[in-house]
Order: sequence, then C-alpha cells, then structure tokens
Amino acid sequence: AQSVAQPEDQVNVAEGNPLTVKCTYSVSGNPYLFWYVQYPNRGLQFLLKYITGDNLVKGSYGFEAEFNKSQTSFHLKKPSALVSDSALYFCAVSPTSGTYKYIFGTGTRLKVLA
Amino acid sequence: DVKVTQSSRYLVKRTGEKVFLECVQDMDHENMFWYRQDPGLGLRLIYFSYDVKMKEKGDIPEGYSVSREKKERFSLILESASTNQTSMYLCASTPSGGSGYTFGSGTRLTVV
Repeated sequence: AQSVAQPEDQVNVAEGNPLTVKCTYSVSGNPYLFWYVQYPNRGLQFLLKYITGDNLVKGSYGFEAEFNKSQTSFHLKKPSALVSDSALYFCAVSPTSGTYKYIFGTGTRLKVLA
Repeated sequence: DVKVTQSSRYLVKRTGEKVFLECVQDMDHENMFWYRQDPGLGLRLIYFSYDVKMKEKGDIPEGYSVSREKKERFSLILESASTNQTSMYLCASTPSGGSGYTFGSGTRLTVV
C-alpha cells in the first residue's frame, strides 16, 4: 500500500537553530512531493514542491526540502528557526499515475522556543 | 489572489440534521476534494471530483455525499449528522498537472 510517514509527532527547536521535519514515503514510480503548513484553525498553506530536477528545493518563508530518492525521503529544513514557524507541517505525495489524489502524512507539530 | 472559499468557519448542528458544507474556487480548477482532519489521524479523503457532475469515493465516504453541479462549487452533504462526524473539514482544489492543492480555511463542525 502507498503511504507517507512523518515519524515525529512533535519537534522542538530553539529559535535561531536549524530545524528538520522528516518525511518518508512508499509510492511506486516518481511521485510529486509537497510540504504544507497549517496555523491554528486555518487551512493548509503550500510551502514547496518537488517534481523533478535539483534535489534541494526552496520554498516559502525560508524553508527548503531535500529529496533523496534512494532513501525515499523528503525532509523539510530551515537554517534558522523563528518562533513564528511554530505550526503543524504536513508532507504529501502525489503518485504520477494520472490521479491528483494526494497521500498525506499525519503531520508534525513544530514548536520553536524563544 | 486565487481562492478556495468555505462558506462557514464554525458550525454547530444537532444529531440527525442534514448538513451542507459549501466550497467555491475561483481558479477554474478541474479537481476538487473534501477532507476531514482529526488529531493523530491527519487528513482523510472523503470524496473528490475530477469534473462537473463527476464524483468518486475517497477513503471514508460513509455517511457523506457530494454534489458538483458547477465547476467552481463542490458541496459536501452529511445526510444525517452524528457526533462522530465532529471534525475539521477541509476543501481543496487543483488544476490538472502537478502544481499542488489550494486549500480553503476549513469548517470546524460540531455535532451535538
């Protein structure tokens, strides 16, 4: 079965430190990969996507993500965390079978401590 | 700025009521989706639609139906609301291609 895993329910990081939010997937073929962020009582906002090309993808708010095909991972990173980055982060995968039905991870809550 | 608009941010309904959740997008997207979000379970797909008058079941369609009479509008219907349908409901749309979903702000539904 196709799946997306976010192994950490919560990640705590001090302001100014680098952050990583992990995502691994099990999907056949060459899927499209996405990260979304959700602030309290709001919908999800698009952060970045990987379709093809350079393995390091840059997105909104200083976030980037590294695609690793051999490890089937797509970890979200930021060099220096801000308190305002505290939110719920979702990884999503779109199988390239002609469907636009994404598979979402269960989310990772990021808490940046001042 | 492109938008997906959900008609209500918060809704309280009684058990057994028929509930309509409306979603409208202004981006001429072909594909529209309804998800529910529950703590620890992430996003679960209820129904989706690839075109007008077309619908397909997602992973948890039981107790729900949908309607897509116009391209821009995708409605979720709870035929007879139950307390286990208390949840955050998220609508999303995407064009054909790989550009990603645009989500609405969500409707937090409480069934009492």
